Amino acid sequence: EAGVAQSPRYKIIEKRQSVAFWCNPISGHATLYWYQQILGQGPKLLIQFQNNGVVDDSQLPKDRFSAERLKGVDSTLKIQPAKLEDSAVYLCASSLGGGRAKNIQYFGAGTRLSVL
Amino acid sequence: GDSVTQMEGPVTLSEEAFLTINCTYTATGYPSLFWYVQYPGEGLQLLLKATKADDKGSNKGFEATYRKETTSFHLEKGSVQVSDSAVYFCALSDRNNNNDMRFGAGTRLTVKP
Repeated sequence: EAGVAQSPRYKIIEKRQSVAFWCNPISGHATLYWYQQILGQGPKLLIQFQNNGVVDDSQLPKDRFSAERLKGVDSTLKIQPAKLEDSAVYLCASSLGGGRAKNIQYFGAGTRLSVL
Repeated sequence: GDSVTQMEGPVTLSEEAFLTINCTYTATGYPSLFWYVQYPGEGLQLLLKATKADDKGSNKGFEATYRKETTSFHLEKGSVQVSDSAVYFCALSDRNNNNDMRFGAGTRLTVKP
């Protein structure tokens, strides 16, 4: 079974530029998550999708971050404009969704963003 | 809100030593508890899980028991190997909160030969 795919693996941009990350979840997984992992910290949830609808985006900085999952499969996370403090690894995860046995999240390798 | 507190690192052990990484949680409901491992340059991998009180999760020689009375989920391994060097994250997921995953800050383990 293919895992969660993310691209690119690395991205270096200057502050105030825009950047986009892509995620393709495990086939059949209804729930998709984007996390931000700052160096030395645990991942922090940015947004959760159930199919193509947003379940929780309470921690997404909506003035500069946006995410979509138009067809309920792959997803894009965008930052516009980027700030220095956005430097982090952006992790995508997916799960079947539903009860306890189905809420195990599987993670991609992440995109490491450096904002200079 | 829900939160996880885990033992600060880094932890450095010699091969074959006993490992304990402490983890405690705060939750309003009845969460599922997880340990994830992150090897250098890779994403998080699920190591083990427990979904209700007194459950014991185990995998690759690692174990953790869901203790509701002490709100703990400590990770243990009897004999660590160099290949166990990684960052370990304790996490909880509460279905009363959209199954949002809350992670601890992570504990870096280095095992020396």
